[in-house]
Amino acid sequence: GQQVMQIPQYQHVQEGEDFTTYCNSSTTLSNIQWYKQRPGGHPVFLIQLVKSGEVKKQKRLTFQLGKEKKNSSLHITATQTTDVGTYFCAGPNNAGNMLTFGGGTRLMVKP
Amino acid sequence: DAGVIQSPRHEVTEMGQEVTLRCKPISGHNSLFWYRQTMMRGLELLIYFNNNVPIDDSGMPEDRFSAKMPNASFSTLKIQPSEPRDSAVYFCASSLGAGDPSTDTQYFGPGTRLTVL
Repeated sequence: GQQVMQIPQYQHVQEGEDFTTYCNSSTTLSNIQWYKQRPGGHPVFLIQLVKSGEVKKQKRLTFQLGKEKKNSSLHITATQTTDVGTYFCAGPNNAGNMLTFGGGTRLMVKP
Repeated sequence: DAGVIQSPRHEVTEMGQEVTLRCKPISGHNSLFWYRQTMMRGLELLIYFNNNVPIDDSGMPEDRFSAKMPNASFSTLKIQPSEPRDSAVYFCASSLGAGDPSTDTQYFGPGTRLTVL
């Protein structure tokens, strides 16, 4: 069953504004992965976080795993129209034997 | 290297017809996943194979759905008979599957957009 919950479901921003999506779990995560799906495309792996408090950056994207490893966030600085898409977090399911995807946050950027 | 290959990319069929979706995972990957994506229900895992053996099929909606993996390089998802509510994008994904499946990165195919009239 699903273990990771994502908020918000949708986010509209003006180009240049920042954007953040959050992923929460009731139990400790061994790892969290982030994927991006462009409109009409398929989910593509972005990054994996494993260590408590870990922060990783990819250009304007900052990924963070909380110190208790129960939540994670993806922050985009100064959004661009190319950032449009749905961002999924994925973590272990309740049984801990499979990766399960959150509901995703759909980002829309107004030029 | 070629990624995950799916065919067909688009399928339009009439209610009651049989539909077969095909997937070729990345060479060397031991795990294969079938997902269904709709606006209402998001991304749902249907079934997961490891070393060609179905490990978890709890997401398969009903008996009309069946999946096979006869060898390491090919899998099918069959819907018989198809219904309009089966309309969705069906993704196949693969992963290395050599260690902990809850930490494996998954590589998705381009998907098959199914429309059942």
